[in-house]
Amino acid sequence: QKEVEQDPGPLSVPEGAIVSLNCTYSNSAFQYFMWYRQYSRKGPELLMYTYSSGNKEDGRFTAQVDKSSKYISLFIRDSQPSDSATYLCATNGGGTSYGKLTFGQGTILTVHP
Amino acid sequence: NAGVMQNPRHLVRRRGQEARLRCSPMKGHSHVYWYRQLPEEGLKFMVYLQKENIIDESGMPKERFSAEFPKEGPSILRIQQVVRGDSAAYFCASSLRNGEGTEAFFGQGTRLTVV
Repeated sequence: QKEVEQDPGPLSVPEGAIVSLNCTYSNSAFQYFMWYRQYSRKGPELLMYTYSSGNKEDGRFTAQVDKSSKYISLFIRDSQPSDSATYLCATNGGGTSYGKLTFGQGTILTVHP
Repeated sequence: NAGVMQNPRHLVRRRGQEARLRCSPMKGHSHVYWYRQLPEEGLKFMVYLQKENIIDESGMPKERFSAEFPKEGPSILRIQQVVRGDSAAYFCASSLRNGEGTEAFFGQGTRLTVV
């Protein structure tokens, strides 16, 4: 069983739709959760960083963490064609290496006009 | 304010040659992480370095791979005697510190092709 599971999609939605991206994790030691966006042949770009259960909002993006069920989500409101990318959830366990991240496989999102 | 800089962006090596990948962290960042992204797979952690020290190399293959982050200059990921299975995108990330709230920022990657 992978430590972080993410549905690879692909996911295709019309412009303006609300997108829901999800991951589950298995290790209770994971404390911090991130969402990265990766455009084709580019490096991952940090979108959201959370460390407690609940919601965190930033513009059109909302990250949600439920530690009791080990479930993390990213919601994108009013999706745009420019949101078309691969979205990666990531987590770390703290300890001595906070930048040592465990990633999900990534979900490929296409927003069509 | 330049981000994480990696070079070269693309590297082609023949089987048995050496590959050297360079990473200059963001200004002021002293923590560097290397990740590998194989086709159809997610990003996998390889190694975490601070200046002149390897902190965590739990994701590094036991043979042929090495990494350094000298006092001066970029971090280097070295792959000796490359094989076809080493073909992948290698990403470097850097962070300002190592603690709660640490955010890691990634470079654009080096795409290694072994022919």
